[in-house]
Amino acid sequence: AQKITQTQPGMFVQEKEAVTLDCTYDTSDPSYGLFWYKQPSSGEMIFLIYQGSYDQQNATEGRYSLNFQKARKSANLVISASQLGDSAMYFCAMREGTKYGNKLVFGAGTILRVKS
Amino acid sequence: KAGVTQTPRYLIKTRGQQVTLSCSPISGHRSVSWYQQTPGQGLQFLFEYFSETQRNKGNFPGRFSGRQFSNSRSEMNVSTLELGDSALYLCASSLELGLNTEAFFGQGTRLTVV
Repeated sequence: AQKITQTQPGMFVQEKEAVTLDCTYDTSDPSYGLFWYKQPSSGEMIFLIYQGSYDQQNATEGRYSLNFQKARKSANLVISASQLGDSAMYFCAMREGTKYGNKLVFGAGTILRVKS
Repeated sequence: KAGVTQTPRYLIKTRGQQVTLSCSPISGHRSVSWYQQTPGQGLQFLFEYFSETQRNKGNFPGRFSGRQFSNSRSEMNVSTLELGDSALYLCASSLELGLNTEAFFGQGTRLTVV
């Protein structure tokens, strides 16, 4: 079974508008962490935001926020005021406890294109 | 502060050859993980090293191996290369082991097997 599911292969958004990238996850471990990464065409993975399974509030980092709905096992990324430089591939990833070390399991990714 | 450095950036190898990729983590980081990224399989975990010990290994054949040195630099080796090994290989370094520990990635080594 897929651990991380990103159902949107590609998304378009108008510059300055907000966009939501979907992510659902599957785990039976009560302790887990959820990450979002951005990968521009250069290939480097850039960390955006983290949400822990025990965190009571949704994580926010500048223009990025994570809409964490634990009961629905979803961790959607919201990018506000989109910029042309936000065009990239976005990956949702999960770390299940620490028994697997720092291993991250990634979703298939969503390509985001920001239109001017 | 220097980021994660992967060398070389690009490689072209012939089937049957072997290859060694290098990763220098951020200074002070003790955990190094390797991932393979392909269009078909996406990002897949290869292995992780922490303080020179392999902590975890992904579901890859024994042709894929790695090691970590006392200065935390890591190498991964792929022997008897196959066409399907063509991929972007990403290295990630982390300060320590932990649920919320951020992984910092290098720019990757793009391997092409012909």
